[in-house]
Amino acid sequence: GQNIDQPTEMTATEGAIVQINCTYQTSGFNGLFWYQQHAGEAPTFLSYNVLDGLEEKGRFSSFLSRSKGYSYLLLKELQMKDSASYLCAVTGGSYIPTFGRGTSLIVHP
Amino acid sequence: DTEVTQTPKHLVMGMTNKKSLKCEQHMGHRAMYWYKQKAKKPPELMFVYSYEKLSINESVPSRFSPECPNSSLLNLHLHALQPEDSALYLCASSQVAGQAGYGYTFGSGTRLTVV
Repeated sequence: GQNIDQPTEMTATEGAIVQINCTYQTSGFNGLFWYQQHAGEAPTFLSYNVLDGLEEKGRFSSFLSRSKGYSYLLLKELQMKDSASYLCAVTGGSYIPTFGRGTSLIVHP
Repeated sequence: DTEVTQTPKHLVMGMTNKKSLKCEQHMGHRAMYWYKQKAKKPPELMFVYSYEKLSINESVPSRFSPECPNSSLLNLHLHALQPEDSALYLCASSQVAGQAGYGYTFGSGTRLTVV
């Protein structure tokens, strides 16, 4: 099975940088996803990491350390529209992602 | 077309009703999924279809009945639901199941309320 842990809620200021952590335990590892989900809407894909290191995509970056069972999502130059839930999802032997509970990010002016 | 389309967006049904949720994609994806999501909870996998065949059923009650008529369509038939079944039902697709890749494409979901 899989166990995924991420903080329930975080707050940050517009224009700042925030790091959302995700730790996981899984039997077999085949990649980690980050999704953004606004209230009442579908999750949208942000990033995918399967090898150790940092993947950068514009204002968003995602890091993975397989040996530590750890990932983070880094959001730079925060905007009000970044207020959303951020879901960490891990794929194990079945290649079907299991989602964490999500981190609710609140960006304030 | 890079979308997964779900209809209806909202559905209110009684416990004795029969209704269906529909999901459609034209990206050539051969794996399609149903997820259930309660408020402030992560999506929970219900069913996986791979090449139009049911490959995973996560011990979902029989009052939920999936159907995959062809590679572009996925239905979820609902019958005799309970109020606790009220949730956001998400459809997703990916190129294939059983292969790591660049994530799912999710539909916008159907907000189901059982009264």
